[in-house]
Amino acid sequence: AQSVTQLGSHVSVSEGALVLLRCNYSSSVPPYLFWYVQYPNQGLQLLLKYTTGATLVKGINGFEAEFKKSETSFHLTKPSAHMSDAAEYFCAVTGSGAGSYQLTFGKGTKLSVIP
Amino acid sequence: NAGVTQTPKFRVLKTGQSMTLLCAQDMNHEYMYWYRQDPGMGLRLIHYSVGEGTTAKGEVPDGYNVSRLKKQNFLLGLESAAPSQTSVYFCATLGLTNFIGQFFGPGTRLTVL
Repeated sequence: AQSVTQLGSHVSVSEGALVLLRCNYSSSVPPYLFWYVQYPNQGLQLLLKYTTGATLVKGINGFEAEFKKSETSFHLTKPSAHMSDAAEYFCAVTGSGAGSYQLTFGKGTKLSVIP
Repeated sequence: NAGVTQTPKFRVLKTGQSMTLLCAQDMNHEYMYWYRQDPGMGLRLIHYSVGEGTTAKGEVPDGYNVSRLKKQNFLLGLESAAPSQTSVYFCATLGLTNFIGQFFGPGTRLTVL
């Protein structure tokens, strides 16, 4: 079984400031981890993923995340926020290996960027 | 190459009515999923399919049925709609050949009065 906790349902940052969105997970098997972004009235778009290998993964739009097994975390960061980053972000986990690859999502974090 | 499409985009139903949501994909992906999204709840899995002719229950399957008669289509049915089924429904697909994560459709906004 898996679960995801996203700390903070709303995060506000100033334009140009660091973005840090927190995600902690639990999984009974080695996890695959994902961050998705959702703009208003749209579907979900994959930002980045961790499956195996390098624990620091880079995604689109300048975002990156680091898989820390010891902390069961997969926090999302971006050095400098842009107005276009305002959206809702979802962390998700699935189990690695053969299976249905069902995603378990966190409840989401809405990011506001202040000019 | 349309990716994942969902039909309809919006729908309003009265309690007790039935309807079917269609998800179609042209990516030849093996796996398909139906999620519902409610404010503050994230996305929750309703049903999924790992191949043509196979379906399985997810986290919140009650009140829904699904069918996957063709690899490219995944149908979600509501036999007797209830106000608790007011939600935004997303279909997603996953290809195993190049595992890049689930690919989502644009969503269907359903209101049950």
